[in-house]
Amino acid sequence: DAKTTQPTSMDCAEGRAANLPCNHSTISGNEYVYWYRQIHSQGPQYIIHGLKNNETNEMASLIITEDRKSSTLILPHATLRDTAVYYCIVEKAGGSYIPTFGRGTSLIVHP
Amino acid sequence: GAVVSQHPSWVICKSGTSVKIECRSLDFQATTMFWYRQFPKQSLMLMATSNEGSKATYEQGVEKDKFLINHASLTLSTLTVTSAHPEDSSFYICSAQTGPGSPLHFGNGTRLTVT
Repeated sequence: DAKTTQPTSMDCAEGRAANLPCNHSTISGNEYVYWYRQIHSQGPQYIIHGLKNNETNEMASLIITEDRKSSTLILPHATLRDTAVYYCIVEKAGGSYIPTFGRGTSLIVHP
Repeated sequence: GAVVSQHPSWVICKSGTSVKIECRSLDFQATTMFWYRQFPKQSLMLMATSNEGSKATYEQGVEKDKFLINHASLTLSTLTVTSAHPEDSSFYICSAQTGPGSPLHFGNGTRLTVT
C-alpha cells in the first residue's frame, strides 16, 4: 500500500476553515484515499474517502489533485470539538489490505 | 449506522491474570475485524486481522499465544490478553469492516492497566 506523509501539527481559529494536507505520491490507480480522526482517548472516526473526484459529506470535503499524488481534507467551519489527530491513509478497493496508520496531523482549533 | 461497541471501556487487572475485550458490530455484519494497540502519544499499531470463522493473522512481533483472538460470528470478535504484565498496559482498539476496502468503523477503545 502507498505511504502517506502529513504535517505533524496544525492549528486553526474556531469558525475558520481547516485545510489538512496529505501527500501520497506513490498511490496506485486502484487505491482510495481515506481520512479518519481520533479525538483524545477515543477510537478513531471515519470522515470521508475518495478515489479521484472531490467528495463532500456532512463532516468535510476532500480535494484530490488531478495526479492523485496529494489531497486536502477541508473542515469548512472548524469548531473546538474538531481538535483531534487526523489520519490520511490509502487502501485498495476490493481485495484484502492491511490498514496502517502513520502519525497523522494533530489539529488544534483555538478560540 | 455502522456502530461498533467495545467493552469494557477500561479495566484494571493484576499481573498474571487474563482480560477479555469484546468488539461487536451493532448494526452491520463485519467480515473483517482489526485489533490495534496504541501507546501514549503514538499512532495505532495493528496487532492482528480477524476474519469470521478463521484464525486471526497476527502482525510480526505480536505473540498469538498471548493475545488470543476469536471471531466466532459476523458481529463479534474478542481479544484476550493472557497472563497480563504491566508492559501490556495500553489502549486497545478494534475496528470492523463490512467488506474489503470499505471504511473502518472503530470501537471506543479499552484502556487496560496491569498492576
